[in-house]
Amino acid sequence: QSALTQPASVSGSPGQSITISCTGTSSDVGDYNYVSWYQHHPGKAPKLMIYDVSYRPSGVSNRFSGSKSGNTASLTISGLQAEDEADYYCSSYTSSITLVFGGGTKLTVL
Amino acid sequence: QVQLVQSGSELKKPGASVKVSCKASGYTFTTYPMNWVRQAPGLGPEWMGWINTNTGNPTYAPGFTGRFVFSLDTSVSAAYLQISSLKAEDTAVYYCARGRTYFDYWGQGALVTVSS
Repeated sequence: QSALTQPASVSGSPGQSITISCTGTSSDVGDYNYVSWYQHHPGKAPKLMIYDVSYRPSGVSNRFSGSKSGNTASLTISGLQAEDEADYYCSSYTSSITLVFGGGTKLTVL
Repeated sequence: QVQLVQSGSELKKPGASVKVSCKASGYTFTTYPMNWVRQAPGLGPEWMGWINTNTGNPTYAPGFTGRFVFSLDTSVSAAYLQISSLKAEDTAVYYCARGRTYFDYWGQGALVTVSS
């Protein structure tokens, strides 16, 4: 199972919105609504930000939202804040009854 | 509150074995599956598989069969990852993570370095 494709890096200024894409295939992202997104500050435990494409866990800011179209899922962060600077990973359930991650996107808040 | 606390960093020689622990607290251990995720330096995470904490039945992802063993000690709410015949390419941070199609809690990670 190949890793999902994410841009290596994105950047934005405080207050702006950014979107991170996550492209898979019809055997994973395109076939299941089991896409999740994780925020990872190096040295800390990854944090679940979005699950099942667009659901936010309790305690996650509503500035974070998720969506999906075809084989591509997206994470949008609105009203960027300095503390949003981190690595972001997407994940999807697959038809092989496995889970696959993306390669990760480094978000820089300018 | 839910916590997954992993064992510390390990430095091992090629060919050796290592056992990483993941101790859970704040919830009933047997009600959620436990997964293992590997992240090699500079790369994205890889899902290694999961273990049914109710039955102890492990499922290994392709590429993680043979040298990798998932186990449990439900009496202390702990999951374990053992890797045998270590190779340099096993150098990575290993995470435990709770869930099935998404992971709502993760351990802090355990760095395993394989070097002669």
